[in-house]
Amino acid sequence: QVQLVQSGAEVRKPGASVRVSCKVSGYSLTDFLIHWVRQAPGKGLEWMGSFDPEDGEAISTQTFQGRVTMTEDTATNTAYMELNSLRSEDTAVYFCATTMVVKSNYYLDVWAKGTPVTVSS
Amino acid sequence: DIQMTQSPPSLSASVGDRVTITCRASQDIANYLNWYQQKPGKVPELLIYDASNLRSGVPSRFSGSGSGTDFTFTIISLQPEDVGTYYCQQYDNLPPSITFGQGTRLEIK
Repeated sequence: QVQLVQSGAEVRKPGASVRVSCKVSGYSLTDFLIHWVRQAPGKGLEWMGSFDPEDGEAISTQTFQGRVTMTEDTATNTAYMELNSLRSEDTAVYFCATTMVVKSNYYLDVWAKGTPVTVSS
Repeated sequence: DIQMTQSPPSLSASVGDRVTITCRASQDIANYLNWYQQKPGKVPELLIYDASNLRSGVPSRFSGSGSGTDFTFTIISLQPEDVGTYYCQQYDNLPPSITFGQGTRLEIK
């Protein structure tokens, strides 16, 4: 079974950037589509986009287009999500997630524990 | 973009009750609909995929139905451990998109 392990909590000031990592263990990173989902305090799940480490193709929702960058380091089997121009509304837990079933949008049955990001002056 | 409208936003029911949550898509999504449970402080867990398929290991008191634009998630006999928030999620690949419903918070009376 693939496992996803994320980096630890981050605190940033408004206007700054944050990079969250998601390390894949047990399999090659390029076997999966890596999805990024966030959850603001007390709110629901919001899909941010997905990233194919094999070809570098990234899809993001309109909400995040121009502000999010998804990359990978195949040497360390790690995917990254960077969000810039942070504002207080970006305070949330950021999850990476995937499925082993198919390399396309489907269900998400493998989740990392999440990375809390706090944006505060 | 496909919008998902989930209802009710919250629900309080007694142990043993039948609980129903609905999810409506803004356009036909066939059966491309999944259901998740998120317990407080935990990550979401997949319960139902492709509208009506029970994930292996998930108790049979959970079920899903529907196709097209209207979907239903049911717990036939509510248990105390079912407390949490439930989300529907649609998916598509042409163009690629995933959308979650707003969630339904379920508590025990």
